[in-house]
Amino acid sequence: NAGVTQTPKFRVLKTGQSMTLLCAQDMNHEYMYWYRQDPGMGLRLIHYSVGEGTTAKGEVPDGYNVSRLKKQNFLLGLESAAPSQTSVYFCASSPEGSTNEQFFGPGTRLTVL
Amino acid sequence: RKEVEQDPGPFNVPEGATVAFNCTYSNSASQSFFWYRQDCRKEPKLLMSVYSSGNEDGRFTAQLNRASQYISLLIRDSKLSDSATYLCVVNLEDANAGKSTFGDGTTLTVKP
Repeated sequence: NAGVTQTPKFRVLKTGQSMTLLCAQDMNHEYMYWYRQDPGMGLRLIHYSVGEGTTAKGEVPDGYNVSRLKKQNFLLGLESAAPSQTSVYFCASSPEGSTNEQFFGPGTRLTVL
Repeated sequence: RKEVEQDPGPFNVPEGATVAFNCTYSNSASQSFFWYRQDCRKEPKLLMSVYSSGNEDGRFTAQLNRASQYISLLIRDSKLSDSATYLCVVNLEDANAGKSTFGDGTTLTVKP
């Protein structure tokens, strides 16, 4: 099992460009999450999904959109990138239920110039 | 006030030392509690869950105090390999899809 994978690992964008980050998991997990982590800080939840076809806003959703057309994939889109979106983005998945561990992908390092 | 607060450290300790981290949370509806470990430029990984009765895993002991709304992590006989950032994580009840709130982390450096 590959676990949780993220594509790409690194990306540099210019202000105003758009991109999509892909997260894939092969553990048949119901829940998937997108976080961002800024230097010296914890993870902040951007959007999450409790199942195929559903998405919901997290703590910092502005400037991002998500889609979960297939259970194993969770896409994060930036429509018009801003320097404030420079960060490390982590995707995670977990089985249904609040007592379960989240499994994280290796992260995508995004720089917006 | 942040929902989950941790002492950022850094904690610099010699090998073999015992070190303890505390974490406080503000939402009394919090249901599940965890400690994750994050190595530099890597993804977080679960270190241990925290149970109401307290639990131990080798050199690591976790405690939960619901009345005072804090959790703790104790590391005994510190190893060089314990150097990392330790994240306190609190989950709400199932109705909130198990959303996690992360503390900003406590950095530990174990020196020879």
